Amino acid sequence: GAVVSQHPSRVICKSGTSVKIECRSLDFQATTMFWYRQFPKQSLMLMATSNEGSKATYEQGVEKDKFLINHASLTLSTLTVTSAHPEDSSFYICSARGGTGEGPYGYTFGSGTRLTVV
Amino acid sequence: AQKVTQAQTEISVVEKEDVTLDCVYETRDTTYYLFWYKQPPSGELVFLIRRNSFDEQNEISGRYSWNFQKSTSSFNFTITASQVVDSAVYFCALSENTGTASKLTFGTGTRLQVTL
Repeated sequence: GAVVSQHPSRVICKSGTSVKIECRSLDFQATTMFWYRQFPKQSLMLMATSNEGSKATYEQGVEKDKFLINHASLTLSTLTVTSAHPEDSSFYICSARGGTGEGPYGYTFGSGTRLTVV
Repeated sequence: AQKVTQAQTEISVVEKEDVTLDCVYETRDTTYYLFWYKQPPSGELVFLIRRNSFDEQNEISGRYSWNFQKSTSSFNFTITASQVVDSAVYFCALSENTGTASKLTFGTGTRLQVTL
């Protein structure tokens, strides 16, 4: 079935540094990638939607200069948290959709990345 | 705009009890999908079910069953004879239409605790 590989699963970084999170669709073409953030004991909040080869569309309140999304190929999307601060500590999870080969239920989620900024 | 409401924040049951998780949604579309996901402590989302807006048949899968009522905009999830392994956060979600760019809107989740 459709698989999305997300890594790293956990990352600890120092305040002020940047962190890159990768999501790869292993057996289908992810024409659309969604990035979510989840704070402890809260729901998943959509941060942005990206289509392959286009600029990402950010949800209201999400800083595009802070959360850089690149979706340069049909199998890879990256989220870079720039100049991370402790308040960026969260669980980030990607979800991919595509045409050919996508799973029967559409949205395929990565396993998530737990970011801790110290 | 689409919205999903899960009024139950936390539910605690004793093993073997039945439990129902409520989900109420709002959408202006006539074509949409409803989902349930399970999120164990490890964090990954486990897909449980997808239901399209034209299919109001209830579904049963083992100990899990779902009741879709368009008239009340509800898509409730029942676990029969709950087990400790069912302890997790459960999310109901909605996507409008079926295009690949359709985003999923999640409810706030219900934390289910099953104890011995």
